[in-house]
Amino acid sequence: AQSVTQLDSHVSVSEGTPVLLRCNYSSSYSPSLFWYVQHPNKGLQLLLKYTSAATLVKGINGFEAEFKKSETSFHLTKPSAHMSDAAEYFCVVSDRGRGSTLGRLYFGRGTQLTVWP
Amino acid sequence: NAGVTQTPKFQVLKTGQSMTLQCAQDMNHNSMYWYRQDPGMGLRLIYYSASEGTTDKGEVPNGYNVSRLNKREFSLRLESAAPSQTSVYFCASSGQRENIQYFGAGTRLSVL
Repeated sequence: AQSVTQLDSHVSVSEGTPVLLRCNYSSSYSPSLFWYVQHPNKGLQLLLKYTSAATLVKGINGFEAEFKKSETSFHLTKPSAHMSDAAEYFCVVSDRGRGSTLGRLYFGRGTQLTVWP
Repeated sequence: NAGVTQTPKFQVLKTGQSMTLQCAQDMNHNSMYWYRQDPGMGLRLIYYSASEGTTDKGEVPNGYNVSRLNKREFSLRLESAAPSQTSVYFCASSGQRENIQYFGAGTRLSVL
């Protein structure tokens, strides 16, 4: 079965400092992994996606994530936080790799990122 | 440039009332999904439709029904609303090739 654990429910950083949002996954085969961002009262927007190509994935707005199979991790990072990064971030695993054409998503519980000026 | 459109954006119901949440996508996607989002729970799948004419239960289907009206539209119905269904509901769609789900802006539902 697929599952995702986001290790921090809240992360606070100062503007200009690095961001690290941690995610561990469980999957019985090679997973597709995603990070989505949700700004207040908005829908979800895809930040980046891993699908067994390069293990370091670059996304929008300067975010990137590294897939580490040995650690079953897919942590999200950004070198320098901006005020506009304040949002909720979701780590997501898909079961589509099981040969299914349907990409069901399994969401982590989310990490709320606060950025202080 | 619409993507996934959900209506209404907000709704307040009394316990026992019924309503239908509408979702339409203009990306010619085969698959569509309904999720609910509750604080600290992430998003949980209610129902999904792999293609026009098919629907299947997700993780939390009780109290809901769905209709895949055509390729574009996928509606979610609450027959007898309960306070436990107070939530934010998101519709999403995905194509066959890229396995990325695109989300609507959500419907905020309160059941009193």
